[in-house]
Amino acid sequence: EPEVTQTPSHQVTQMGQEVILRCVPISNHLYFYWYRQILGQKVEFLVSFYNNEISEKSEIFDDQFSVERPDGSNFTLKIRSTKLEDSAMYFCASTERTRNEKLFFGSGTQLSVL
Amino acid sequence: DQQVKQNSPSLSVQEGRISILNCDYTNSMFDYFLWYKKYPAEGPTFLISISSIKDKNEDGRFTVFLNKSAKHLSLHIVPSQPGDSAVYFCAAIQGAQKLVFGQGTRLTINP
Repeated sequence: EPEVTQTPSHQVTQMGQEVILRCVPISNHLYFYWYRQILGQKVEFLVSFYNNEISEKSEIFDDQFSVERPDGSNFTLKIRSTKLEDSAMYFCASTERTRNEKLFFGSGTQLSVL
Repeated sequence: DQQVKQNSPSLSVQEGRISILNCDYTNSMFDYFLWYKKYPAEGPTFLISISSIKDKNEDGRFTVFLNKSAKHLSLHIVPSQPGDSAVYFCAAIQGAQKLVFGQGTRLTINP
């Protein structure tokens, strides 16, 4: 079964450093998402992406965050200057259709900001 | 922002019995509801969904019930199996927008 792949599985970084989280969505999917889950809290929407542009973003997704689909297969989330509160599990997801009821999630990247 | 709430952080059920996971929502504009299941070190996986025009959807051992007047939905698993032990997330969407998740309920099936 096709799956969403995320790398790395764990990322440790110093506060203020830039990190790039990488995702390879399912190949025929057109809609891409980033969600995150801070330990003990709910899964939260960050951003959705379609046709090479952001279609929706949450309040969490401020100027420190950016997304990119650089080569038609990868989908990346960049955090420009990490803060302690950015520590979370970041999930990439993709769907074939605009109505995202059946999101396919990756296994996540655990980001730890020290 | 507590638009989707799962008030039970954990639930323990005997193998073979019915597991009932509950979820409440506040936004009457939600028109589609879903349950996701999550194992440790994995991303959430889609389990079952229901449109707001229905009150029940069944898929094998899993049934989701929707009570729109009470803004409540529930997931029934029967019979419960040890492999069902996981965290279950209720989620809702409105139109083509993002998923809004509940906090999750950790289900443990005891042999």
